[in-house]
Amino acid sequence: DAGVTQSPTHLIKTRGQQVTLRCSPKSGHDTVSWYQQALGQGPQFIFQYYEEEERQRGNFPDRFSGHQFPNYSSELNVNALLLGDSALYLCARSFGQSQVYGYTFGSGTRLTVV
Amino acid sequence: LAKTTQPISMDSYEGQEVNITCSHNNIATNDYITWYQQFPSQGPRFIIQGYKTKVTNEVASLFIPADRKSSTLSLPRVSLSDTAVYYCLVGDIDQAGTALIFGKGTTLSVSS
Repeated sequence: DAGVTQSPTHLIKTRGQQVTLRCSPKSGHDTVSWYQQALGQGPQFIFQYYEEEERQRGNFPDRFSGHQFPNYSSELNVNALLLGDSALYLCARSFGQSQVYGYTFGSGTRLTVV
Repeated sequence: LAKTTQPISMDSYEGQEVNITCSHNNIATNDYITWYQQFPSQGPRFIIQGYKTKVTNEVASLFIPADRKSSTLSLPRVSLSDTAVYYCLVGDIDQAGTALIFGKGTTLSVSS
């Protein structure tokens, strides 16, 4: 989506490795949310950031961590990768602190753990 | 856990109107209802959002009864390109730090 850029688009990692995924919202003052989507499932909420603070976290282990930078871009880090971490990772931006105008999603990063 | 229930799948033909109903029995007073569309290997795309009665935009209509325990997404005259997964979400969109939770969605298949 033109409103959110995610990189890389595809990634292959080995079990036990660490990975960093990146998200760049088009505009500033955005809330950034990360979702994990396994094949055939709906997106699962990982965590949400606003003004560099984690505002809410889903039911994911501490191996999943994140960061939001002053320019509102964000990173998702996953340590000690498991085969089950293979999924499409989606970043979503919403204007300000709420979802009044809905989320704008990126096209995602397809992570494959072998 | 997702707070909504939708049919797993629906089939339709080109040119027909499609109505997808979502159940949200425990919707809170401040919750809005939002629908997203997702194509394979893409992020979900916002379709429509409403609080009560009827909302219409250029792509869909959203019908919400007075008790707000369900809602219906209406897609007029669908085409093959409307084949996608449709998600119904409820949440307090005005509340800072509230993330929207997705369920499994409804897979709509449109045939010619």
